[in-house]
Amino acid sequence: EDKVVQSPLSLVVHEGDTVTLNCSYEVTNFRSLLWYKQEKKAPTFLFMLTSSGIEKKSGRLSSILDKKELSSILNITATQTGDSAIYLCAVEANAGGTSYGKLTFGQGTILTVHP
Amino acid sequence: DTGVSQDPRHKITKRGQNVTFRCDPISEHNRLYWYRQTLGQGPEFLTYFQNEAQLEKSRLLSDRFSAERPKGSFSTLEIQRTEQGDSAMYLCASTRQRTGNTGELFFGEGSRLTVL
Repeated sequence: EDKVVQSPLSLVVHEGDTVTLNCSYEVTNFRSLLWYKQEKKAPTFLFMLTSSGIEKKSGRLSSILDKKELSSILNITATQTGDSAIYLCAVEANAGGTSYGKLTFGQGTILTVHP
Repeated sequence: DTGVSQDPRHKITKRGQNVTFRCDPISEHNRLYWYRQTLGQGPEFLTYFQNEAQLEKSRLLSDRFSAERPKGSFSTLEIQRTEQGDSAMYLCASTRQRTGNTGELFFGEGSRLTVL
């Protein structure tokens, strides 16, 4: 059974700090790893990673995948109070050569950024 | 608003009652998913539709659960004889089929079920 573990489970920082969130996975026939941000209700997409060692970047957020170590990190620099949210990591497996969006999520990291 | 919409947003019911949730996906999306999220956990896959065909169901989806997408547009998730363990947020997501990786799923804001 596919499995995703995130660490830490929660993190409290002050504005301006840099944080690193971790995600490790076990999946048969890995296809992609995705990061989502969940503020109130709906998870919103951040990144999709398929190739090892290639950094995806969006503003102050960046992420990289290490297929050898079966892990990924999400970095947030110069944190702001608006970054407070649950960050979810998910993996997608190949299914008979096709992809259909069945994601296995980790339990999430709760990030709290204080002013 | 052209996002994924779910209704109702919150449902409180007594154990043993039936409940039905509705999801309206983004209009051009042919793939629709139901996930369930309990407190402190990430979403768990329940089922998936491509157009009107239900192509996979998780073993989490007991025989009390049924999902439909009759015309390949909106979907309903019905839970019969609710139990307290069914209390959770039910999330719907949609995406458009594409070659290669599925990529981004667009989630609705969820329907929170509380079973008393």
